[in-house]
Amino acid sequence: LAKTTQPISMDSYEGQEVNITCSHNNIATNDYITWYQQFPSQGPRFIIQGYKTKVTNEVASLFIPADRKSSTLSLPRVSLSDTAVYYCLVGGRSGGYQKVTFGIGTKLQVIP
Amino acid sequence: GAGVSQTPSNKVTEKGKYVELRCDPISGHTALYWYRQSLGQGPEFLIYFQGTGAADDSGLPNDRFFAVRPEGSVSTLKIQRTERGDSAVYLCASSWGQGDIDEQFFGPGTRLTVL
Repeated sequence: LAKTTQPISMDSYEGQEVNITCSHNNIATNDYITWYQQFPSQGPRFIIQGYKTKVTNEVASLFIPADRKSSTLSLPRVSLSDTAVYYCLVGGRSGGYQKVTFGIGTKLQVIP
Repeated sequence: GAGVSQTPSNKVTEKGKYVELRCDPISGHTALYWYRQSLGQGPEFLIYFQGTGAADDSGLPNDRFFAVRPEGSVSTLKIQRTERGDSAVYLCASSWGQGDIDEQFFGPGTRLTVL
């Protein structure tokens, strides 16, 4: 499984755009990139998944450069409720199964 | 609809005892995962089921850990001869197991404390 590196923590003011970058230099051809969010005392929650270029949904955007050795999760106009740990995961897919490894994640603190 | 549920929410046991942790996945989800999360760490993969069979159990730390999913729905994680190092939050997740996006839906976890 490809190893990922992301900042341990980040602070942001409310209303700002937050970009969290993840490095995955050893990503394999069939690996997908997935981001999860976790609040204290809850299980992680899926945010977004992509393979290449840009993916956007109602909560976030995921930017993946052509070499796929990194990816950036972009959260527009964060609020206090976005304070959480964000995990970048890389894993291959086989028949719908994606074996992934969670690192320690990025702890995002949104400041009023 | 109902999400993934796990019971009990908290379990306190003594070293050496046997425990069972239950996971009720989202109805219709064929894929089921178990993870273990220690304080300050991300979830650690334990085992993956596709239907009734354990397709990947490479994350189980040793033979004291075992999981079943006899009817392809509810799963039970069983830990024999518990040790203090087994204390953690045990998370269950389920997914459709097909399609382009494998979104895993996590339960709230069972906090296991081994005294």
